[in-house]
Order: sequence, then C-alpha cells, then structure tokens
Amino acid sequence: KAGVTQTPRYLIKTRGQQVTLSCSPISGHRSVSWYQQTPGQGLQFLFEYFSETQRNKGNFPGRFSGRQFSNSRSEMNVSTLELGDSALYLCASSLEPSSGSSRTGELFFGEGSRLTVL
Amino acid sequence: EDQVTQSPEALRLQEGESSSLNCSYTVSGLRGLFWYRQDPGKGPEFLFTLYSAGEEKEKERLKATLTKKESFLHITAPKPEDSATYLCAVAYTGGFKTIFGAGTRLFVKA
Repeated sequence: KAGVTQTPRYLIKTRGQQVTLSCSPISGHRSVSWYQQTPGQGLQFLFEYFSETQRNKGNFPGRFSGRQFSNSRSEMNVSTLELGDSALYLCASSLEPSSGSSRTGELFFGEGSRLTVL
Repeated sequence: EDQVTQSPEALRLQEGESSSLNCSYTVSGLRGLFWYRQDPGKGPEFLFTLYSAGEEKEKERLKATLTKKESFLHITAPKPEDSATYLCAVAYTGGFKTIFGAGTRLFVKA
C-alpha cells in the first residue's frame, strides 16, 4: 500500500515569490492535514481538509492557503514568501473513524517538502 | 488553551540504560493521544494511540502509558537505532486537528 506522497521534496524560492506544494494521501484516506515544522516552533498545524472542505485552520496568515480535490489529493499555497517561511512542510492523511469505532484517526505523514526562502 | 508539553527536550542514554519520556497535556475532550517517532529529514512515523487513562501499549522496547493528565513513553534497554525525536500529540473532540508537543530528542550511545 503506497504511503503519503509529497512533491516537490526540495525547493528554493526568493522572497516575494509564491509556492505550491502537493500531497497525495494514502488510498482510501479522505482527511488531509498540513503542518509546518521548524527547529524553533516544532510542528505547527496549518489546516485540515475532508471531502474538499476545510474543517479547521491554524493561526497562520492568509498568505497560507490550501485546497483538496475530489480524489482527496491536496495542495497548499504560500504567496508572497518571507524568509521565515523556510521550513519543512508536512502533509498527513488519516482514515476518518467509522461510526462506533474507537479509532480516532492516527496520522500518516509524507516525507515533507523542504522549502528554503532566500 | 489546548497544549502539549514534552520533557525533557533532549535525553542522552547509554545503550541498555532504560528511561522514560513525559508528555503532559491540557485539552478538553481527549479523543486520543499519539506517539510518533521522527528521524532526521523524514516525516513522523506513527507508534501508538492511547484512548483512556490506564491504557498501555507496547512495541518492542517501547511502552506507552496514559493517565488523565500525562503520558509516558518508557524505553527499555535502548539501542543506538532508537535514537530519534519522539513526538507526543493529542486529538480532541470536535477539533478536527491534532496538536503536537515540541518533542524529545533521544540519543543512545553504544
């Protein structure tokens, strides 16, 4: 069973540019979450999507946006890049718990997209 | 405010020296507490889910336990390959998100 796939793995941008990152979840997983990971802040929640709907959003400026497609694939976009946006961006998918199930949806992560802003 | 706090930030052990990592949390309506392992340059890898106080899970040299306010990850007779960052995370009712602690970096020396 294929895992979560993120592309690109590495990218370098300059301040003011924009970037789009892609995430393909595990087959059958309809929930996709995005996180930003930096050495100083750890894993910070960006947003979560389920069936093309954003259900929750973290405390990030409006420059950070995302979407989910009907096949559950997701993209996130960062516009007007700043130096502080340099980070590892992680996508995770989860299997939404079925009714009556005790499972709460552990996250399965991709290897991340490492963004460097110069 | 919902938050997850892990201690210590870093832990250095000799091979075979058992120890524990701590995760304390304050969330309303816990749905699940998770432990992940993260190796450098990789995404976190799921280890355990705990749902209620008193629950325990084991996997090889790792054992996770849960109380009403904290969780422990016990590492028995660690090996160098156990060196990694261990992340604790919680999901709460109606939140549609999982929040993570800052992690504990574990170094095991042969």
